[in-house]
Amino acid sequence: EDQVTQSPEALRLQEGESSSLNCSYTVSGLRGLFWYRQDPGKGPEFLFTLYSAGEEKEKERLKATLTKKESFLHITAPKPEDSATYLCAVQASGGGADGLTFGKGTHLIIQP
Amino acid sequence: NAGVTQTPKFQVLKTGQSMTLQCAQDMNHNSMYWYRQDPGMGLRLIYYSASEGTTDKGEVPNGYNVSRLNKREFSLRLESAAPSQTSVYFCASSERAFYGYTFGSGTRLTVV
Repeated sequence: EDQVTQSPEALRLQEGESSSLNCSYTVSGLRGLFWYRQDPGKGPEFLFTLYSAGEEKEKERLKATLTKKESFLHITAPKPEDSATYLCAVQASGGGADGLTFGKGTHLIIQP
Repeated sequence: NAGVTQTPKFQVLKTGQSMTLQCAQDMNHNSMYWYRQDPGMGLRLIYYSASEGTTDKGEVPNGYNVSRLNKREFSLRLESAAPSQTSVYFCASSERAFYGYTFGSGTRLTVV
């Protein structure tokens, strides 16, 4: 069974204080690992897809990295508008269900 | 530039009532999905449609049915609502099965 575990569950940072969110996963074969951002009362917003170990992607203050067991979402000099819940999801290359398995998310708060 | 549109946004049902959640996308995507999101559980796949004319069960299909009406529309039906189906429902679409999803804004359903 595919599993995704995100840590920490919640994180409070000061504006400008860099940190990383962790996503560890267990899948039969990884087709892709996805990061989403979700604001309260809204649907998840796609950020990145990573396909193989060693791959990195960046968008503004966010950088996602991937190893064979986990992914990190690094947030550099965050601003209050980066406050959101960040979701990690995996898609396995095998199995019948052609969908994503999501983690429970990390609730990030950036204080001014 | 609507993306994925879900209706209604909010709904209250009595136990045993039926209803259909509507979803439409205007991005010419092939794949569409229905997820539910519950506190502490993360997003879970209910049904998906890899392409027009096909539908398949996800992780939690019991109590639901779906129809892929055409390439744009994918509806979710609750035949006899139960309190356990109280949740936030998200529809999503993707160009292909392993591409990033675009999510709708969700339907908040309460069954009393």
